[in-house]
Amino acid sequence: ETGVTQTPRHLVMGMTNKKSLKCEQHLGHNAMYWYKQSAKKPLELMFVYSLEERVENNSVPSRFSPECPNSSHLFLHLHTLQPEDSALYLCASSQDSGGHYTQYFGPGTRLTVL
Amino acid sequence: AQTVTQSQPEMSVQEAETVTLSCTYDTSESNYYLFWYKQPPSRQMILVIRQEAYKQQNATENRFSVNFQKAAKSFSLKISDSQLGDTAMYFCVSWAGSARQLTFGSGTQLTVLP
Repeated sequence: ETGVTQTPRHLVMGMTNKKSLKCEQHLGHNAMYWYKQSAKKPLELMFVYSLEERVENNSVPSRFSPECPNSSHLFLHLHTLQPEDSALYLCASSQDSGGHYTQYFGPGTRLTVL
Repeated sequence: AQTVTQSQPEMSVQEAETVTLSCTYDTSESNYYLFWYKQPPSRQMILVIRQEAYKQQNATENRFSVNFQKAAKSFSLKISDSQLGDTAMYFCVSWAGSARQLTFGSGTQLTVLP
């Protein structure tokens, strides 16, 4: 595997379900990000982890819970979501030093909340 | 705060021709980077080209080049010899030194016509 991978690619869940999105980066980066992309809206940054520490949380509802167990893996735990949470969730990684701030994205998870 | 403006929601170009996508930005930072990302129908966000603000020379990547006008805060993307595979949503993106957050423009949907 190369680059940034995300699983699952598609997820349908009910409002009472609990599920998790997984992101893995194979680039040796030290920072990882979760973004939400809804139709007709700009890309929204949700969370940032740098060196496995959460450094950014952009007023995201508590029904979204991130976890970064190591620098290669990032999870987004979902519970009691709402239909308006249906969106494409993108993970990205970057090397957060030395001028290399370019973010590389995974293919995304298309989430549908019924 | 940073803002990125793309004033062309949609554009089309004939295969093998050249097209230019416009972008203006605003930032109070002295250290910043600018990017063009593309998002084809697969929804994967792909880095096209990157420009460091401190470099006067315009970045080029094969058929892709930028016209970076720092004083005018303009950052346009030129695609030469357009190919059908270039059909995608193109996002102009900025990153400033004081934050890890990328700021995305609203995007330009480019269609390459056979």
